[in-house]
Amino acid sequence: SSELTQDPAVSVALGQTVTITCQGDSLRTSYASWYQQKPGQAPVLVIYVKNNRPSGIPDRFSGSQSGNTASLTITGAQAEDEADYYCNSRSWMFGGGTKLTVL
Amino acid sequence: EVKLVESGGGVVQSGGSLRLSCAASGFASSSYWMTWLRQAPGKGLEWVANIQEDGSAKYYVEAVKGRFTVSRDNAKNSLHLQMTSLRPEDTAFYYCARIDARGGDYISEYFQVWGQGTLVTVFS
Repeated sequence: SSELTQDPAVSVALGQTVTITCQGDSLRTSYASWYQQKPGQAPVLVIYVKNNRPSGIPDRFSGSQSGNTASLTITGAQAEDEADYYCNSRSWMFGGGTKLTVL
Repeated sequence: EVKLVESGGGVVQSGGSLRLSCAASGFASSSYWMTWLRQAPGKGLEWVANIQEDGSAKYYVEAVKGRFTVSRDNAKNSLHLQMTSLRPEDTAFYYCARIDARGGDYISEYFQVWGQGTLVTVFS
């Protein structure tokens, strides 16, 4: 399959933990990367190669992957984490995005 | 500072052409695959095209094959996207990005550096 599937929307209470998932057959042989996009801004890489964070990304962001599913977890969500999150595999395949609302 | 800056977006009539450019600084773009991505207003991200370090290999999403051409000028640390026969459905923010990759048992590619995007609007 050439698709990556994400839930369209997820919400989390301030300070709680939320997990965003991405499913697709390509994830059995490739690591997902995760991107955060806030309104009017370019996407920003938050997780790559399973559970690596670029410099400047808070350690409340973590990633995991098993079988055909990749997950992005935010532990202790902050108001500034409200954004759209996209997974990507093999550079050319994007998930449809998950809109995260922090309540 | 590692940076990508796109330019060349604008408003064009259906069937028209535009040439986007992406200027890289703070790193040698000749050492990386580069990519163009786009995002229609209110929609998700879509991969458009990849180009190998030396420009010898190029790949395109089916929707733009035969209409878009990706190229690069490594001497000028720049990337380009020539868009012809534009359609209203090509309306989007266009981003250039650097493809980073890691070896290993799994394919590992990701976009560590993004430009700020340039808006292309195609009207019918």
